[in-house]
Amino acid sequence: AQKVTQAQTEISVVEKEDVTLDCVYETRDTTYYLFWYKQPPSGELVFLIRRNSFDEQNEISGRYSWNFQKSTSSFNFTITASQVVDSAVYFCALSGLISGYSTLTFGKGTMLLVSP
Amino acid sequence: DGGITQSPKYLFRKEGQNVTLSCEQNLNHDAMYWYRQDPGQGLRLIYYSQIVNDFQKGDIAEGYSVSREKKESFPLTVTSAQKNPTAFYLCASNIPGGDQPQHFGDGTRLSIL
Repeated sequence: AQKVTQAQTEISVVEKEDVTLDCVYETRDTTYYLFWYKQPPSGELVFLIRRNSFDEQNEISGRYSWNFQKSTSSFNFTITASQVVDSAVYFCALSGLISGYSTLTFGKGTMLLVSP
Repeated sequence: DGGITQSPKYLFRKEGQNVTLSCEQNLNHDAMYWYRQDPGQGLRLIYYSQIVNDFQKGDIAEGYSVSREKKESFPLTVTSAQKNPTAFYLCASNIPGGDQPQHFGDGTRLSIL
């Protein structure tokens, strides 16, 4: 069975601080994909990044960066110089196959509150 | 612009009543999904469909039903058998495949009267 653990339920920071959101996963698949989504107060989940299991290069996109470490089954997300607009719930998700169909297993999410 | 439309945004259900949540997409995606979100619980998969006239139960299908008569539409019915229906419901779609990100609608918030 697949599992995604986001141990941090809620994080509060002050604007301009750096913050890292942790994600640990479990899977028996050798090929899999990891995702991060952002859910602002409006409710819609917004796709941020996808990483496949064979690509361990870190990725940076503006103030966002992701650290994938297969050895520790982790896919952590760092926001540099946080802003109030970053306040949202962030979900880590893992793709898997059920009877030949691809589905996503989500973590429980980390609520990030950035105060001015 | 392409996207996923969920309606209504808010819905109230009386005891013993079935209600249907609408989900329409114009992204030409074959696969569609329904999730339930409860506070602190993340997203849990209710049903999914990868082709018209075919759908599969997810982790928490009891008390729910779906249909997939058209590629664009994947309505979810919350039946009276679902004893705790109060939650936020999200619909998603994608091109089938483990590497394809899912695109989400704005959600429907269902409450009990």
